[in-house]
Amino acid sequence: DSGVTQTPKHLITATGQRVTLRCSPRSGDLSVYWYQQSLDQGLQFLIQYYNGEERAKGNILERFSAQQFPDLHSELNLSSLELGDSALYFCASSSTSGGPYNEQFFGPGTRLTVL
Amino acid sequence: AQSVAQPEDQVNVAEGNPLTVKCTYSVSGNPYLFWYVQYPNRGLQFLLKYITGDNLVKGSYGFEAEFNKSQTSFHLKKPSALVSDSALYFCAVRVNNYGQNFVFGPGTRLSVLP
Repeated sequence: DSGVTQTPKHLITATGQRVTLRCSPRSGDLSVYWYQQSLDQGLQFLIQYYNGEERAKGNILERFSAQQFPDLHSELNLSSLELGDSALYFCASSSTSGGPYNEQFFGPGTRLTVL
Repeated sequence: AQSVAQPEDQVNVAEGNPLTVKCTYSVSGNPYLFWYVQYPNRGLQFLLKYITGDNLVKGSYGFEAEFNKSQTSFHLKKPSALVSDSALYFCAVRVNNYGQNFVFGPGTRLSVLP
């Protein structure tokens, strides 16, 4: 168990809808990262937050947004969902410094299915 | 731009035999290199990392990896494979630039046959 929790575990929704994925980092970790894993794209970095502020952006669509709250949990919001958004969404956290040499600890993921 | 290649989609090895999962990288700057493992329906688990120093890095579950700067490689190895090692393995690279994050390779599926 990595100490990173994600809810829900599974989510099934329809095209055009909006969903929110939630992540709680390991105790004491200030950095939270979001990734999308799909069969055709592999593991893609979406966005990083550090202590409530956006630190880095990857291949995140404009329809997607995230935030990190004062208690350090993070939410990833996906809107105007398309079939191609079906994927596993992972959250990861790393130690307080968020330095490049710190490994990330991954949650179990949320499997999103868009019908 | 950073990139990571894992040239083999699938590696098959017999239980008890040594295993190697290959990784090559391309970065501008000094790389930080990582290996992760993903079991079915699970998140990624950290195995080991290379930051600096000794080119041979030891990690969890008996795995080790060798950093080779001239060949820009970071191959994962284990002297004696177990059936329970069967999983998806990801190599990742990061450089020491603010805002730079992990770039993961496409993954290599390891099957250890009894």
